[in-house]
Amino acid sequence: GDSVTQMEGPVTLSEEAFLTINCTYTATGYPSLFWYVQYPGEGLQLLLKATKADDKGSNKGFEATYRKETTSFHLEKGSVQVSDSAVYFCALIIQGAQKLVFGQGTRLTINP
Amino acid sequence: EPEVTQTPSHQVTQMGQEVILRCVPISNHLYFYWYRQILGQKVEFLVSFYNNEISEKSEIFDDQFSVERPDGSNFTLKIRSTKLEDSAMYFCASSEALGTGEQYFGPGTRLTVT
Repeated sequence: GDSVTQMEGPVTLSEEAFLTINCTYTATGYPSLFWYVQYPGEGLQLLLKATKADDKGSNKGFEATYRKETTSFHLEKGSVQVSDSAVYFCALIIQGAQKLVFGQGTRLTINP
Repeated sequence: EPEVTQTPSHQVTQMGQEVILRCVPISNHLYFYWYRQILGQKVEFLVSFYNNEISEKSEIFDDQFSVERPDGSNFTLKIRSTKLEDSAMYFCASSEALGTGEQYFGPGTRLTVT
């Protein structure tokens, strides 16, 4: 079946550090890939997406590239801020399907 | 900015009791979803709903679960006879279109079954 695996958390970094959160997927069809973010007390929000191989999604300084050859969609940011502290979820949806398939989430804490 | 709201934020119930979790999706959205996350586990899809009927459901969504859109704004998830293993965070979501993956989520209801 379809599945998403994220790196284990929690992750703690200092402000201005470089961030990578790894995400790999297994899909029976041709997926679109997403990163969702959940800030404390809020719902999951779409952070970025990529719909085909080699696409790069970007938003708020975060980037992720759809790598079909390695079935990966790693999230990166060059310089994190305290306000980036949140839980990050990698997800996929198969073309024509209705449900998002999520990874387990990675809690990120940024210290000043 | 429009948002999905959910009530209550936390519900505590005894095993065997019925609970109803409520959601108000974004007003012009046509597709509605429930997901849940058991503590420490992945967010899992439960059900999707369109045009007043279930369009897809997971294996988790058995006969003890039901969904309803009782009026033009609310979308509810009912669990008829709660079990300890139903304890989880339940997220409602809505979307304008189907299959894009761009779903808007509420903040969740934490259900604790004792």
